[in-house]
Amino acid sequence: EPEVTQTPSHQVTQMGQEVILRCVPISNHLYFYWYRQILGQKVEFLVSFYNNEISEKSEIFDDQFSVERPDGSNFTLKIRSTKLEDSAMYFCASRTTWGQPQHFGDGTRLSIL
Amino acid sequence: GQQVMQIPQYQHVQEGEDFTTYCNSSTTLSNIQWYKQRPGGHPVFLIQLVKSGEVKKQKRLTFQFGEAKKNSSLHITATQTTDVGTYFCAGLPRGAGSYQLTFGKGTKLSVIP
Repeated sequence: EPEVTQTPSHQVTQMGQEVILRCVPISNHLYFYWYRQILGQKVEFLVSFYNNEISEKSEIFDDQFSVERPDGSNFTLKIRSTKLEDSAMYFCASRTTWGQPQHFGDGTRLSIL
Repeated sequence: GQQVMQIPQYQHVQEGEDFTTYCNSSTTLSNIQWYKQRPGGHPVFLIQLVKSGEVKKQKRLTFQFGEAKKNSSLHITATQTTDVGTYFCAGLPRGAGSYQLTFGKGTKLSVIP
């Protein structure tokens, strides 16, 4: 069964550094998402992306965050200047069309030192 | 903004006992989705409920969507150790073409053999 793949599985970064989290959504999916889950807490929506542009973003997704789909397969989340509170598990998700379920990747654990 | 409350936060049951988690939204939903997250894993889609009063079953799992489309429940009959994990509901707001899922905080289920 096709899967959403995320790399790396764990990223350790110094505070203030830039980090790029990578995702390869399922190939025929059209809608892409990033979520964040701070340890032990709920999953929080960050941003949705469709047709090469952001559809929606939450309050968490401030100017430090950006997303890109640089080619036909990758979907990236960039955090420009990381803060300690950015430490979390970041999940990428994708789906085919409206009303279809989202498929989540295994996540990237981001640790900011 | 939309809030989704979920109770209980934790539930410990003996294997074979039943389990129920409840979800309540501050606003009317277009649909509600349920996910299961195993420890250290990613959210896995279980089901989506769309219609008012809808009831769906998956083997020992029964999902309900309230008449007002603001609350939902997941009931597991005769729990097994494989049911261990955190169960999240996630609501999709009604109208405005939004697909920003709002997750509840989840119910962490422990099953004692």
